[in-house]
Amino acid sequence: QTVVTQEPSFSVSPGGTVTLTCGFSSGSVSTTSYPSWYQQTPGQAPRTLIYNTDVRSSGVPDRFSGSILGNKAALTITGAQAGDECVYYCVLYMSSAMWFGGGTKLTVL
Amino acid sequence: QVHLVQSGAEVKKPGASVKVSCKASGYTFNNYGISWVRQAPGQGPEWVGWINPQSGKRNHAQKVQGRVTLTTDTSTSTGYMELRSLTSDDTAVYYCVRGELWFDYWGQGTLVTVSS
Repeated sequence: QTVVTQEPSFSVSPGGTVTLTCGFSSGSVSTTSYPSWYQQTPGQAPRTLIYNTDVRSSGVPDRFSGSILGNKAALTITGAQAGDECVYYCVLYMSSAMWFGGGTKLTVL
Repeated sequence: QVHLVQSGAEVKKPGASVKVSCKASGYTFNNYGISWVRQAPGQGPEWVGWINPQSGKRNHAQKVQGRVTLTTDTSTSTGYMELRSLTSDDTAVYYCVRGELWFDYWGQGTLVTVSS
C-alpha cells in the first residue's frame, strides 16, 4: 500500500512564506510522480493550484509555486494571506494509480 | 470555459448499486481523461479511477476493484461511474475531474449516502 505523507498542520504569519511538502513513505518523489496540489475549504470541491510539479492552474496567483525539494514535492506560498487558511492536498502517481496525501491544515496567524 | 456537471445526490441501501453521471463542456471531450475522486465525511479525498474516452483504457483503485465500472459516452460528452455492492464505507461525495495524471477541473460533487 502506497502512503503519501504531508505535514498534518502548519502555521504561517500574514505576509510570510511557507513550504509544504509531499513525499512517499518509501521512496522518492520525482517529476515522473507528476505531483499536483489542491486547496480545499470546508464544504467546497478542491481547487487545483499546481499540476505536473510546477505548472500553475489557470487563475492561480504566482504566490503559489511548486517544485521538487530533495526527495519530496513542495508547495511554496509567499505573501501568505488570511484567505490561504485551509487544507492543502497533494497527489502523486505511482504504480498506475493516483495517491492523495492526508492533507496539511494551514493556519495563517 | 470548462464545466463538469454531475447528477444529483443519491441515497442507497447496502448491497445496491449507484450510477453517477458527469457531463463535460467547454473542451474536446476525447482529448482528456476523466477521473473519479471520492471524499468520505471528514476525510481526505481518495482516487477511485480514470478512463480515457478516446481509447477506452481505464484503471481503478484496488479498493473498489471488481465493484466499479467507468464508462463514457462520447456522443454526449458524458462520463459515468457505477459502483456496486455498496456498503456504508462508500458513503462519500463523488467528484468527476478532468485529467488522468492530475486533475485540473472538478465537478460540483455528488453525495452518495449508503444507509439501511
